[in-house]
Amino acid sequence: QVQLVESGGGVVQPGRSLRLSCAASGFTFSNFGMHWVRQAPGKGLEWVTLIWFDGSKKFYADSVKGRFTISRDNSKSTLYLQVDSLRAEDTAVYYCARARACSTTRCQYFDYWGQGTLVTVSS
Amino acid sequence: QSVLTQPPSASGTPGQRVTISCSGSSSNIGSNTVNWYQHLPGTAPKLLIYSNNQRPSGVPDRFSGSKSGTSASLAISGLQSEDEADYYCAAWDDSLNGVVFGGGTKLTVL
Repeated sequence: QVQLVESGGGVVQPGRSLRLSCAASGFTFSNFGMHWVRQAPGKGLEWVTLIWFDGSKKFYADSVKGRFTISRDNSKSTLYLQVDSLRAEDTAVYYCARARACSTTRCQYFDYWGQGTLVTVSS
Repeated sequence: QSVLTQPPSASGTPGQRVTISCSGSSSNIGSNTVNWYQHLPGTAPKLLIYSNNQRPSGVPDRFSGSKSGTSASLAISGLQSEDEADYYCAAWDDSLNGVVFGGGTKLTVL
């Protein structure tokens, strides 16, 4: 069955960096685009970024553009999110999710999600 | 402020039918599919409805979705206590080049 397991979260000081990982299993990872979505404490879901199945296209929310970088290693079935210049407002649970209904310019929805990893930005 | 607009809360008694609305614009709901997710705190969000009105296998037919123009709605009939959760609508936005969510609706089963 499809499994997505995030890791790499923790407590980090403002301005520092972190790399989140999402290990995928139960499907051919290299055939699917992948997203990161986050949820700040007490807030709703916020889309963060999307990477194409082969890494050729990447899309970012304006709130993270220039600070976050999505990447993937299809040989390891693993998705990454490099988060730099962290701010207090980046405190959230970060979920990876599998993309579905992708055309050349968009992916319409997520069909499987991981359990999330918590990032806390605090001095 | 979320791009898609949902009511913050909804409620119903067991067996009742409830609907949750989701309002957007021409760049998101008006030109892309609407998808709904169910989220219980501390768990992975779950896909409930995709492509406006399609149910993934395993989702009971008590859940249904519809879309008209730049608005959509999720209906839950035969409400059950286990339906108590947060519900989010989402769609791709052509202007933002990304997915936009509603603010979420907390459903309470009285």
